[in-house]
Amino acid sequence: DTAVSQTPKYLVTQMGNDKSIKCEQNLGHDTMYWYKQDSKKFLKIMFSYNNKELIINETVPNRFSPKSPDKAHLNLHINSLELGDSAVYFCASSPLPGGRYNEQFFGPGTRLTVL
Amino acid sequence: RKEVEQDPGPFNVPEGATVAFNCTYSNSASQSFFWYRQDCRKEPKLLMSVYSSGNEDGRFTAQLNRASQYISLLIRDSKLSDSATYLCVVTPIGGATNKLIFGTGTLLAVQP
Repeated sequence: DTAVSQTPKYLVTQMGNDKSIKCEQNLGHDTMYWYKQDSKKFLKIMFSYNNKELIINETVPNRFSPKSPDKAHLNLHINSLELGDSAVYFCASSPLPGGRYNEQFFGPGTRLTVL
Repeated sequence: RKEVEQDPGPFNVPEGATVAFNCTYSNSASQSFFWYRQDCRKEPKLLMSVYSSGNEDGRFTAQLNRASQYISLLIRDSKLSDSATYLCVVTPIGGATNKLIFGTGTLLAVQP
């Protein structure tokens, strides 16, 4: 009965490769997110989708492309991986795109290592 | 200046101690405030929302001071299981109010 799941949990790859991370939520939420947590543990939002529509797109290289086939899934594709992309990537979901008390539920994270 | 600033710690405290964390935010128009908890190599989880009037949940008390742009978290009677990183989180007003802005976190280590 996992609420927000991500695959894979670990991803080790070479520079220049293209990789994808998948996220699924079974909470019935309309809004999903991708966050990046770097080596200094700083957690920063990358993208947000509400019912398959992109609503937040932070300053992220265009090598990163999110895709939401339906509101329960939000995948992240990364082209031409660089050393600086090494981080933990968290997917999250929330019931609403706005609202004052809007808890976000996080997946377990995908630890990406670029060699 | 970072949007949300926290003392990274670590705070090393004995079991049973009371410990307080502070957080400041730069955008005076910020709308919502939260404390999230992140265990080592795990995902963040909501600990509690922070209301203007202050709020308490068991051993945890959160306070908000809008005039000083300051949020606090007080933990009483610390348990070993409280050891974690505590993340101060703020959402901006207007626009995409679902956007969470995280502080870098304060590491708490409760010692036996």
